[in-house]
Amino acid sequence: NAGVMQNPRHLVRRRGQEARLRCSPMKGHSHVYWYRQLPEEGLKFMVYLQKENIIDESGMPKERFSAEFPKEGPSILRIQQVVRGDSAAYFCASSPGGGGYEQYFGPGTRLTVT
Amino acid sequence: DAKTTQPNSMESNEEEPVHLPCNHSTISGTDYIHWYRQLPSQGPEYVIHGLTSNVNNRMASLAIAEDRKSSTLILHRATLRDAAVYYCILRDGLNYGGSQGNLIFGKGTKLSVKP
Repeated sequence: NAGVMQNPRHLVRRRGQEARLRCSPMKGHSHVYWYRQLPEEGLKFMVYLQKENIIDESGMPKERFSAEFPKEGPSILRIQQVVRGDSAAYFCASSPGGGGYEQYFGPGTRLTVT
Repeated sequence: DAKTTQPNSMESNEEEPVHLPCNHSTISGTDYIHWYRQLPSQGPEYVIHGLTSNVNNRMASLAIAEDRKSSTLILHRATLRDAAVYYCILRDGLNYGGSQGNLIFGKGTKLSVKP
């Protein structure tokens, strides 16, 4: 059973460009979470999605960031007009249910903004 | 989710047991105690969780105090691969399957394992 997959693993963008991060959950999981880890800091929740629905986006910056989890295909975290402060590791996790279920994390995408 | 307190860092020797403490004095009766770890340059990994009774799995054991205000993650024989940041996280059991699914990570305990 393949684990959570994220791509790309490393992404370099210039300031002002768009970054698209993809996450394929574990088979049978319909709940996806995105977290961000800034350099030398802890993991911070960004958004929680189920298929075609955003359940909780309380951790998402109000501008430039968006996320989706379509009926078919991976979940996408999109960052428009990236700035240097967006440089971080972005982790996706999936679970078979919401609330207290264990979450299974992907290897992360390391975004570098130059 | 209620707050937890962990030491910033701990050291262990390879092949010796490691006891990682976590204080959660404001835990509620429905909070589960979860542990995750993050190896260097990797995503977090679920380790174990429990409510009241001690729990064992292939990775570790979880010992929960009788008053549930503290718990200890036990690695029975530390290996170099166990060097990681370990996070103790409380999760509300009443929300199982509900809409508040995110994990709240603190600073965790950075475990170093010496050969």
